[in-house]
Amino acid sequence: GAVVSQHPSRVICKSGTSVKIECRSLDFQATTMFWYRQFPKQSLMLMATSNEGSKATYEQGVEKDKFLINHASLTLSTLTVTSAHPEDSSFYICSARGTIGGEQFFGPGTRLTVL
Amino acid sequence: AQSVAQPEDQVNVAEGNPLTVKCTYSVSGNPYLFWYVQYPNRGLQFLLKYITGDNLVKGSYGFEAEFNKSQTSFHLKKPSALVSDSALYFCAVRAKNSGNTPLVFGKGTRLSVIA
Repeated sequence: GAVVSQHPSRVICKSGTSVKIECRSLDFQATTMFWYRQFPKQSLMLMATSNEGSKATYEQGVEKDKFLINHASLTLSTLTVTSAHPEDSSFYICSARGTIGGEQFFGPGTRLTVL
Repeated sequence: AQSVAQPEDQVNVAEGNPLTVKCTYSVSGNPYLFWYVQYPNRGLQFLLKYITGDNLVKGSYGFEAEFNKSQTSFHLKKPSALVSDSALYFCAVRAKNSGNTPLVFGKGTRLSVIA
C-alpha cells in the first residue's frame, strides 16, 4: 500500500523558535496533501489543504502566517510552525492523496512540544 | 456539509466479549466511510472502508463494520475483543462526489478491553 512518512517524529523546541515538519509520499505522487492537528484526547482537525505547485488553502481560524505550508513537489510537503509557543504543542499529522478525490494515506504524525 | 458523530467517548468491554463502536454520519449523497485506530503517540492505522457493494465490510485484526444507509450508520464491530484492541478509534466520512475534499473525522471513541 501507499506509504507516507513524516520527519521528525518528535521535536522539542524553545518558545519563539521555528520548527519544520516534512511529509513525504514514498511510493506515489501526491497531488494533494492535508495537514491535521490533534490535541490530546481529541479528534483530528483539518488545518489546511495543499495542492502541488499552488498556495495552501487554510481552514477557518488557522493562521496562515504562523503555519507555513509548502508543497513544492509531488512527493514533499512541509509545515513550518513559526515563532512557536507552548499552545502550539500538539500532534501534527499529514495525509496525502494521489489522485483528485482518491483515498487519503496518513503519515505517522509528529509530536511537537514547545517549552 | 459533512459530519461524523461518535456518541460514546469511552467503551468498556471484557476480553472475549463482542464489541461495538458506534458511528453515524451526515453527507450529501452517497458516502465513503472509514475506520481508523490510533495507539498512544502513534499515527492512524487504517482498519476498513466502505466504498460500494456489500454493506458488511471486513477489515484488519478481525474487525468489521456494517453500512446502514437508512440509519446513516457505520458501526464498528468485533466478535471477540482482545486486550490489545484497547486504543482510540476514529470514524471518518467523505461524500462520493465531493471533488478533492478531505476526510472528516469523528471525535473518537476510546475502547478499553479488560482482561
